[in-house]
Amino acid sequence: GDSVTQMEGPVTLSEEAFLTINCTYTATGYPSLFWYVQYPGEGLQLLLKATKADDKGSNKGFEATYRKETTSFHLEKGSVQVSDSAVYFCAPNYGDKLIFGQGTELSVKP
Amino acid sequence: DTAVSQTPKYLVTQMGNDKSIKCEQNLGHDTMYWYKQDSKKFLKIMFSYNNKELIINETVPNRFSPKSPDKAHLNLHINSLELGDSAVYFCASSPQTGRGEQYFGPGTRLTVT
Repeated sequence: GDSVTQMEGPVTLSEEAFLTINCTYTATGYPSLFWYVQYPGEGLQLLLKATKADDKGSNKGFEATYRKETTSFHLEKGSVQVSDSAVYFCAPNYGDKLIFGQGTELSVKP
Repeated sequence: DTAVSQTPKYLVTQMGNDKSIKCEQNLGHDTMYWYKQDSKKFLKIMFSYNNKELIINETVPNRFSPKSPDKAHLNLHINSLELGDSAVYFCASSPQTGRGEQYFGPGTRLTVT
């Protein structure tokens, strides 16, 4: 069935380090792809999205490119901040629903 | 001006009890969802409604019954609570079915003792 695999966490980085969180999805059709972020004690928020191959979504310094050939949608940020500490979820949209990855916890130390 | 609100935020109850969680959205969206997030942060959809009509009903015990009195509200009633029901339950809404942009409520942490 439809599924998504994310890099396992937790990921611990120092402030200003480069971040990559890997995400791959099953290639059933052409799903729209999303990254959501969950800050401690809160609900999920949409971070960015891409709706077709080669689209790049970006927001708050985060970027991800829809790679159809590798069925991937890796999240990157050039310089993380302590305030980026959160759990990040990759989520392809298959038909009526989002399928969430297992989440990757990011901890950024000063 | 809260977009998606849930009540209560915390719910502690004993096994066997019946409880309800309420959700309201003021975004004018047509579609609403219930998700369950376990202790490992794994998030799974339970139900979705589009304009008061049930669209998605995942493999959820029939002790869980959603009710949508109007398209701005989606409540979740749980009968005969079990220890395994302990989790955080999130409500979400979306402008329409099939759109991946969803707006989440703050969650209800249910603890069954």
